[in-house]
Amino acid sequence: NAGVTQTPKFQVLKTGQSMTLQCAQDMNHEYMSWYRQDPGMGLRLIHYSVGAGITDQGEVPNGYNVSRSTTEDFPLRLLSAAPSQTSVYFCASSYSGLAGPRVGTQYFGPGTRLTVL
Amino acid sequence: AQKITQTQPGMFVQEKEAVTLDCTYDTSDPSYGLFWYKQPSSGEMIFLIYQGSYDQQNATEGRYSLNFQKARKSANLVISASQLGDSAMYFCAMREDSGSARQLTFGSGTQLTVLP
Repeated sequence: NAGVTQTPKFQVLKTGQSMTLQCAQDMNHEYMSWYRQDPGMGLRLIHYSVGAGITDQGEVPNGYNVSRSTTEDFPLRLLSAAPSQTSVYFCASSYSGLAGPRVGTQYFGPGTRLTVL
Repeated sequence: AQKITQTQPGMFVQEKEAVTLDCTYDTSDPSYGLFWYKQPSSGEMIFLIYQGSYDQQNATEGRYSLNFQKARKSANLVISASQLGDSAMYFCAMREDSGSARQLTFGSGTQLTVLP
């Protein structure tokens, strides 16, 4: 049981390049999310998904796209990288049940550190 | 308005002593959950403890306990018998249950340093 995995761990892009950050989970969680973490600002929600085929925007969605074709995978696409997207990106998944001691507890991947030059 | 406020950017504690990290929250949703996560220097986010808004008792997980004061809208994390390995950034987060999404809103974090 690998939990939540993310690739790559590090990436350097030039302004205007595009790329996809990969995220996969093997816990059969329906809920998956992408966050970015900037210094002094905690984590901010980019996009999320409540199940395969369903996605929605979070707090800071501009410049990013997502899709959810399977329960396991939730890739994040940067369409045209900008220096303002330099950040650490976390993918998370959570239990979808309605009851239990850890309803909504999100389990995080190890993060991707992205630098845009 | 900030939904999660952590007013202590940095805290120091002596090894083996207890420390309290503050967290206040703002919501009008009657059903919500409060979480604490630890982020060591290696960068991963580690779930520590959870408190539901309807839970009657304060949550505990080993050396971690959550001091939940609903009327004051506070959810402070108490770490007993601090260890050097507790040095990390700590984030308080909230999940509001009014929508279908189970997403978290995070505070800005508290950097805890445990001194030998």
